[in-house]
Amino acid sequence: DTAVSQTPKYLVTQMGNDKSIKCEQNLGHDTMYWYKQDSKKFLKIMFSYNNKELIINETVPNRFSPKSPDKAHLNLHINSLELGDSAVYFCASSQQGSYEQYFGPGTRLTVT
Amino acid sequence: DQQVKQNSPSLSVQEGRISILNCDYTNSMFDYFLWYKKYPAEGPTFLISISSIKDKNEDGRFTVFLNKSAKHLSLHIVPSQPGDSAVYFCAASGRIQGAQKLVFGQGTRLTINP
Repeated sequence: DTAVSQTPKYLVTQMGNDKSIKCEQNLGHDTMYWYKQDSKKFLKIMFSYNNKELIINETVPNRFSPKSPDKAHLNLHINSLELGDSAVYFCASSQQGSYEQYFGPGTRLTVT
Repeated sequence: DQQVKQNSPSLSVQEGRISILNCDYTNSMFDYFLWYKKYPAEGPTFLISISSIKDKNEDGRFTVFLNKSAKHLSLHIVPSQPGDSAVYFCAASGRIQGAQKLVFGQGTRLTINP
């Protein structure tokens, strides 16, 4: 009965590859997010979708493309991976009008 | 330009004593503040929050204080327990560039010693 789940939990890949991270929430929330936690441990918003519509798109390279097939899913596709993309990526969800966001367990991406 | 700062990267407290975690922010547009707790290899979990119209919110052993004039908030845990050992993130919510966003501090690692 996991509320927000992400797959995979760990991802090791080489520079130049394309990879995807999947996120699903079963809380019935209508807003989903992707965050990046870098080596300095800052959690920074990357994208947010509300009812499948993109509402937040921070200054993120266009190699990163979110896709929301429905309200319960928000996937993150990354093209041409670079060393600097190595980080932990967290998916989160919330109900519109609520400040509280619920986070997934994170995906540790390592680019070699 | 870090809008939310937690200046103590780590804090060590004796079990049973009070733990005080601090957070400062710079943007006066923030209208809601939250504390999250994070264990290794897990995502952050919501702990307690406070609206900008209040100066205190209490939930069991956890109390959050907000000083708007100083742009400072703190989380008090009393009494501290070994299970409280984790990284604590302060987060501030505000309407930034047309969208409601959560801005996080860099976290404080709390260690409770038996």
